[in-house]
This record gives sequence, C-alpha cells and structure tokens, in this order.
Amino acid sequence: GENVEQHPSTLSVQEGDSAVIKCTYSDSASNYFPWYKQELGKGPQLIIDIRSNVGEKKDQRIAVTLNKTAKHFSLHITETQPEDSAVYFCAAANNFNKFYFGSGTKLNVKP
Amino acid sequence: EAQVTQNPRYLITVTGKKLTVTCSQNMNHEYMSWYRQDPGLGLRQIYYSMNVEVTDKGDVPEGYKVSRKEKRNFPLILESPSPNQTSLYFCASSPQWGRALYNSPLHFGNGTRLTVT
Repeated sequence: GENVEQHPSTLSVQEGDSAVIKCTYSDSASNYFPWYKQELGKGPQLIIDIRSNVGEKKDQRIAVTLNKTAKHFSLHITETQPEDSAVYFCAAANNFNKFYFGSGTKLNVKP
Repeated sequence: EAQVTQNPRYLITVTGKKLTVTCSQNMNHEYMSWYRQDPGLGLRQIYYSMNVEVTDKGDVPEGYKVSRKEKRNFPLILESPSPNQTSLYFCASSPQWGRALYNSPLHFGNGTRLTVT
C-alpha cells in the first residue's frame, strides 16, 4: 500500500517568514494530493490540493508543488501570520478513495 | 449550514462496553469515511462507504463495525472496546467517489475523543 512521510514534525517561524512542509509518497498510482489544516479542537480542513497532471498550484499565500518523478510534494506558505499556526497534514489518494495521510506538522508562527 | 456532525465529542468508557459514535452529513454526499488520529501516525482510515449499503474496510478496521442504512448517516460501532482504541476519531464525507475524487474534497467533522479504560 501507499506510504506517506511528512517532515518536519514541528516547525517554528517568525511572523512574515516563509514555511515549507515536505511529503514523499511511495505509490505511483496516487494521483491526488490534498493538504489539510487542523486547528485545535476541530477537524482537518482542506486548504489546497493538486492533481498528478499539474506541477504547481497557488492560492494567495499558499502554494503546492509536485514532483511526480521523485514522488514528493511540498506546501509553501509565504508571509506567515499567527493565524497560520495549526497542524498541517498532507495526503495522497488514488481513484479508489483510499486516502493516506502524513503524520502531520505542527506549525507555530511567532508574532 | 453544510456540515458533518459527530456525537458525542467526548466519551469515556470501560473495556468491553459496546458503544456507537454517530456521524451525520447534510450535504447529500455519497461517500463517507471514518478515521482515527493518533500522535505521530496522522489519520488512518478505518472504514468507508461509497453509498447506501456499500461499505469497505480501510487500513485499520479491526475491532470496528459500520453501517450505512441511510445516505446521511454513517455510525461507527465498537462492539467490545479495548484500551488500544483510545483515540481521536473523525468522520468525513465527500460528494462523489472514484475518478471524481479530486473534485470531491473530504469534509471532516469536529472529532470524537474516545478514552477506553
């Protein structure tokens, strides 16, 4: 089955700096890569996603890049703000609704 | 408001006492799924359902049961809970399944924290 590894497990940045979270996957059949943000006491919420036929996608301060050859994808957050502090999960999915999640990254943005 | 509702939010029980965690969505979604979240392990899929009366095992189904008798409800049943099922549980739904998955992101409930002593 699929194995998704996520790094780092914790990340602390100063407000205004950029944050990068990286994930690797093992199954070349995975074709959909969403990123979720989980705030304290809440369920994960989709923030951005990318399909396997796209190399990069951007939405305001958030971007995701995908390297299919190397089987890795990354989340980039620019101009970080305190409200970006949360746990972020990457995931890989295939056509059979099997979602495989990374272990999560706790992002702390210091004001 | 479109949402996935789980109940209860918190549950403390003893080993062997059957329990049910309910999940309901008001978005007419076809696909529903249960996950457990444990520190350092992320979210792992327990069971999923592609439509009414259609369910299948995820990666960690042992010790759990589900049913999908109505489109909106997808309860998680622990017939004989054990301490290793102490975890944070999430229900999720999405409009469709299969090849349309990338057009159908998962919508999560707010979680149920279960403690089995």
